[in-house]
Amino acid sequence: DGGITQSPKYLFRKEGQNVTLSCEQNLNHDAMYWYRQDPGQGLRLIYYSQIVNDFQKGDIAEGYSVSREKKESFPLTVTSAQKNPTAFYLCASRILPDGDSEQYFGPGTRLTVT
Amino acid sequence: AQTVTQSQPEMSVQEAETVTLSCTYDTSESDYYLFWYKQPPSRQMILVIRQEAYKQQNATENRFSVNFQKAAKSFSLKISDSQLGDAAMYFCAYKESNYQLIWGAGTKLIIKP
Repeated sequence: DGGITQSPKYLFRKEGQNVTLSCEQNLNHDAMYWYRQDPGQGLRLIYYSQIVNDFQKGDIAEGYSVSREKKESFPLTVTSAQKNPTAFYLCASRILPDGDSEQYFGPGTRLTVT
Repeated sequence: AQTVTQSQPEMSVQEAETVTLSCTYDTSESDYYLFWYKQPPSRQMILVIRQEAYKQQNATENRFSVNFQKAAKSFSLKISDSQLGDAAMYFCAYKESNYQLIWGAGTKLIIKP
């Protein structure tokens, strides 16, 4: 089955540690996205990538980093510089050119930092 | 900047009844796309329906339909014959071509059995 996988589903870290969230897709989509979701808010874009080895900052990129070494993979690192990292993180992908094409989402990772 | 507003944080409806979720957006563009996504308790985001702004006909997907009022910048979602499985957060999103999605804050839909 084609789709997007995110692992792990739940992640716990101590404050001050970097943590990397995994996102893999086998849909052969060009573009990949990372969103953060907080209670009572819509999704906020962290980073996106439209091609391998290239990515752009979204609205809330501070304290996060990404890489896109392979088309299928777009890992997100939450660094110790992120002031409030506890949140639900969603990865998505989409075919390009997009127009009204659907963004497909992974199941998400709930990160808790204490 | 474009914004998307969902003015109803929570809505409830009796099973088998019809409910309408509202969404308004702000844009100066004439060509864009609008989406409704559903996020059930599993938190898996699922596309419900999409609308292209230049199409006058309202999109329909089975029990889900939209009322797209371009001049009023309104994009409401109507769910007919509500089912227990429709209980979820519903997000409205806006996109111009080659730009990223802009999301509303969501509406929590409760289905009363």
